[in-house]
Amino acid sequence: GAVVSQHPSWVICKSGTSVKIECRSLDFQATTMFWYRQFPKQSLMLMATSNEGSKATYEQGVEKDKFLINHASLTLSTLTVTSAHPEDSSFYICSARSNRKGRWYGYTFGSGTRLTVV
Amino acid sequence: SQQGEEDPQALSIQEGENATMNCSYKTSINNLQWYRQNSGRGLVHLILIRSNEREKHSGRLRVTLDTSKKSSSLLITASRAADTASYFCATDPTGNQFYFGTGTSLTVIP
Repeated sequence: GAVVSQHPSWVICKSGTSVKIECRSLDFQATTMFWYRQFPKQSLMLMATSNEGSKATYEQGVEKDKFLINHASLTLSTLTVTSAHPEDSSFYICSARSNRKGRWYGYTFGSGTRLTVV
Repeated sequence: SQQGEEDPQALSIQEGENATMNCSYKTSINNLQWYRQNSGRGLVHLILIRSNEREKHSGRLRVTLDTSKKSSSLLITASRAADTASYFCATDPTGNQFYFGTGTSLTVIP
């Protein structure tokens, strides 16, 4: 089946530094990638949607200059949290979808990244 | 917000009992999906039900969909301690975005 590999699974960084999270689709082409964040005991909140080769579309209230999304290839999307602050500490999850006809992969999720900013 | 709502927020049952979770959403949909998340982990896809379907089964899972009421339910029969997790419904109203419900935290007591 379709697999999305997300790295790192956890990261601790200092305030003011930047952190990059990668999501790779291993056996299919992810034409669309979704990025979510999840606070403890809460639901997943969609942050942004990116289509390969295009600029990401951010949900209302999400700072695009703080959460940089790059989806330069059909198998890789990255989320960079710039100038991280403790309030950015959260669980970040990516989800990939393939729009190619003839094969429905549904939405395949990465395993998530636990970010702690100290 | 496009986010759906689920109830109950938390559910605690004895092993062997059935667990029912409900999801309500706001817009028309192409399909609705249910996911499971173990604490601090990624999501696992459980089942997808299309808008023209009313009921679907997968093992011990039974999902119903009522598009007139914009609601869905997930039934887990003969629950096991390993079913302890959070369960989310998710909808794709536009074909371009994917939104999750608020989730139900299920605890199955051995």
